[in-house]
Amino acid sequence: EDKVVQSPLSLVVHEGDTVTLNCSYEVTNFRSLLWYKQEKKAPTFLFMLTSSGIEKKSGRLSSILDKKELSSILNITATQTGDSAIYLCAVNSGGYQKVTFGIGTKLQVIP
Amino acid sequence: ETGVTQTPRHLVMGMTNKKSLKCEQHLGHNAMYWYKQSAKKPLELMFVYSLEERVENNSVPSRFSPECPNSSHLFLHLHTLQPEDSALYLCASSQYGPNTEAFFGQGTRLTVV
Repeated sequence: EDKVVQSPLSLVVHEGDTVTLNCSYEVTNFRSLLWYKQEKKAPTFLFMLTSSGIEKKSGRLSSILDKKELSSILNITATQTGDSAIYLCAVNSGGYQKVTFGIGTKLQVIP
Repeated sequence: ETGVTQTPRHLVMGMTNKKSLKCEQHLGHNAMYWYKQSAKKPLELMFVYSLEERVENNSVPSRFSPECPNSSHLFLHLHTLQPEDSALYLCASSQYGPNTEAFFGQGTRLTVV
């Protein structure tokens, strides 16, 4: 059975801090790893990673995949209160969206 | 507002009721999905439709019945639900194929009483 594990489960930081969220996976047929941000209800797409060692970056957010270690990290620098959300990691292991999600990391950024 | 619209946003139903959740996507995608998100559990994929054909059914109880009349619309028909079915039901769409990201709707918060 495919499995995705995220850590920590929750995190409280102050504005301006840098955070690192972790995702590890065990799947039978890895295709890609995706990060989503879920603020209220609808998860919104952040990154898709398919190749090991190549960093994806968008503003203060960045992510990298390590296929050898079967893991990925999501970094957020200079955090803002608007970064408060649940960050979901998911792994695609099928020809369609056969996606296994982790339980998420709940990030709270306090002023 | 995302390109995927779900209605209703909230639903309270009794165990003997029949109701339907509706999802519409305006993104030109050819695959649509139903996910269930329960408290303290990962999102669970329930059904996948590609080109209006169901391609995945993750052993979901028969009290949940999906319908995909065309590539833009997806329904989830509910009947004789149990209290443990209370959850956030999320619809998503994507292009069919490997390595494509999904776009999610706002979800329907379902409470079964």
